[in-house]
Amino acid sequence: AQSVTQLGSHVSVSEGALVLLRCNYSSSVPPYLFWYVQYPNQGLQLLLKYTTGATLVKGINGFEAEFKKSETSFHLTKPSAHMSDAAEYFCAMRYSGAGSYQLTFGKGTKLSVIP
Amino acid sequence: DSGVTQTPKHLITATGQRVTLRCSPRSGDLSVYWYQQSLDQGLQFLIHYYNGEERAKGNILERFSAQQFPDLHSELNLSSLELGDSALYFCASSPWGGSDEKLFFGSGTQLSVL
Repeated sequence: AQSVTQLGSHVSVSEGALVLLRCNYSSSVPPYLFWYVQYPNQGLQLLLKYTTGATLVKGINGFEAEFKKSETSFHLTKPSAHMSDAAEYFCAMRYSGAGSYQLTFGKGTKLSVIP
Repeated sequence: DSGVTQTPKHLITATGQRVTLRCSPRSGDLSVYWYQQSLDQGLQFLIHYYNGEERAKGNILERFSAQQFPDLHSELNLSSLELGDSALYFCASSPWGGSDEKLFFGSGTQLSVL
């Protein structure tokens, strides 16, 4: 069964510091991987996705993630945190095969940015 | 604004009651998904409809049902409500339902069962 594990339910960083949010997946077939962000009282928005091709994926708002098959990881990074990055971040996965409609989410990581 | 509209935004009801949550997808999107978000379970996939047909079921209770109408809006019906059904219910849409498509989420319906 496919699953997504996010390490750390809460991460705090100082403004200007590196942001690193960890995601590991378990899948028996090649996965499609996504990072979504949820701001308070809002729905989820896509930050970036990995399907095939280049393993380093760039997203919106300066975020990027690298797909590492050997480590079954898809960690999200941003070189310099801004106050506006404070939100909850969700890693998600889908099978790459046909009929795979279910998006499986991790439990989420709440990012706090300290001024 | 994702273009996905959910109503109502908040719903307070009592145990044993029945409620209907409504979702209007983005213009042109044929796929609609329902998710439940709770503190203990996180985001759980409930059900997926494509152009009026059910395509996949996730962790959806038998007390819950959904449908997608010819105009592509969808409704999630929750009956015999229990305290544990209190959660944020999201609807999302995508053009075709392909595995690599991004989902566009609505702002959710916060359901409180008292």
